[in-house]
Amino acid sequence: EPEVTQTPSHQVTQMGQEVILRCVPISNHLYFYWYRQILGQKVEFLVSFYNNEISEKSEIFDDQFSVERPDGSNFTLKIRSTKLEDSAMYFCAGGQATRDEQFFGPGTRLTVL
Amino acid sequence: GQSLEQPSEVTAVEGAIVQMNCTYQTSGFYGLSWYQQHDGGAPTFLSYNALDGLEETGRFSSFLSRSDSYGYLLLQELQMKDSASYFCAVTNNAGNMLTFGGGTRLMVKP
Repeated sequence: EPEVTQTPSHQVTQMGQEVILRCVPISNHLYFYWYRQILGQKVEFLVSFYNNEISEKSEIFDDQFSVERPDGSNFTLKIRSTKLEDSAMYFCAGGQATRDEQFFGPGTRLTVL
Repeated sequence: GQSLEQPSEVTAVEGAIVQMNCTYQTSGFYGLSWYQQHDGGAPTFLSYNALDGLEETGRFSSFLSRSDSYGYLLLQELQMKDSASYFCAVTNNAGNMLTFGGGTRLMVKP
């Protein structure tokens, strides 16, 4: 069964550094999402992406964040200058249609020191 | 904005039935989903309701009442492996985001 994959599984970085989190969605999915989950808390929406454009973003997704689908298979989340409060699990998700069920990847645990 | 309320914790016995509730207040609502998350794992889709009523998928059923802004997830014949967190999530009108509740941690005891 096809799966969403994410790399790396764990990223440790220093405050102020840039990080890029990578995701390979399921091949026939058209809608892509990033969520984050701070340890012990709920899953929070960051951004949705369709047809090479951001279709929705939350207040968390400020100018420090960007997303890209550079080659038709990878979907990346970049944080330009990480802050301590960016430490969280970041999940990529995808779906075949809007309002459809979303398939989540295993997540990348980001630790900012 | 959106807000969803779920009880923080529920404990039940193996083989029993458990109901986990979700109430929501939203500025735009299209449907209510349920996701399961084991510790350290990713959310996994369980069920979805866009219309009022009951949806059944094996041991899992989900109910929605749009007029009451309320839904629940029902798990039957509980198994130890059902111990996990269960999140309700609202899909907005545009269908391009999920807003999650705080989750209910289910502990299944022998």
